Amino acid sequence: GAVVSQHPSRVICKSGTSVKIECRSLDFQATTMFWYRQFPKQSLMLMATSNEGSKATYEQGVEKDKFLINHASLTLSTLTVTSAHPEDSSFYICSARDSEATNEKLFFGSGTQLSVL
Amino acid sequence: LAKTTQPISMDSYEGQEVNITCSHNNIATNDYITWYQQFPSQGPRFIIQGYKTKVTNEVASLFIPADRKSSTLSLPRVSLSDTAVYYCLVGSNSGYALNFGKGTSLLVTP
Repeated sequence: GAVVSQHPSRVICKSGTSVKIECRSLDFQATTMFWYRQFPKQSLMLMATSNEGSKATYEQGVEKDKFLINHASLTLSTLTVTSAHPEDSSFYICSARDSEATNEKLFFGSGTQLSVL
Repeated sequence: LAKTTQPISMDSYEGQEVNITCSHNNIATNDYITWYQQFPSQGPRFIIQGYKTKVTNEVASLFIPADRKSSTLSLPRVSLSDTAVYYCLVGSNSGYALNFGKGTSLLVTP
């Protein structure tokens, strides 16, 4: 099946630094990718929709200047957490849909555990 | 976007069949029903998808009644490794993300 590769799987950073998370679709093209955040024992919360070649669409309450999203190609989207603070510590997950598929199957990355000290 | 409602948690013993029902009363005509499984600290994994009637694959079956306002994921003969959170999602190929509800936490014990 289709694979979405997400890196890094775990990152620890100091408060005030920026962290970049990469999400790649390995064997399919993804015009649209999605970024989720998940806190312990909670469901996934959609943060933003990443569109290839255009600006991302952010969900209400998500700061676009803090969570920078770039989707420069059909197989790569990046999420940069700028000036990270301890409250940004969370599990971040990306997903992608095959642009040529007609169904609603999403393929998910393995997630990135961000810990901000 | 269709909202989904699932039981928060379920318990089962190894070897039993587990049925998890999801309600989606305002499902739209073009919406598919998709179930995902998530283990701790991992991304969700696709289990099964359907539009109507019954779908079966190597790991599960999905039953969808004619009105499509609910669906039931059936896991035959569960094992300890099936302990996970199961999410029911409803959506169409419109470019909108599939929103996750609270999911069902399944605990399988010996």
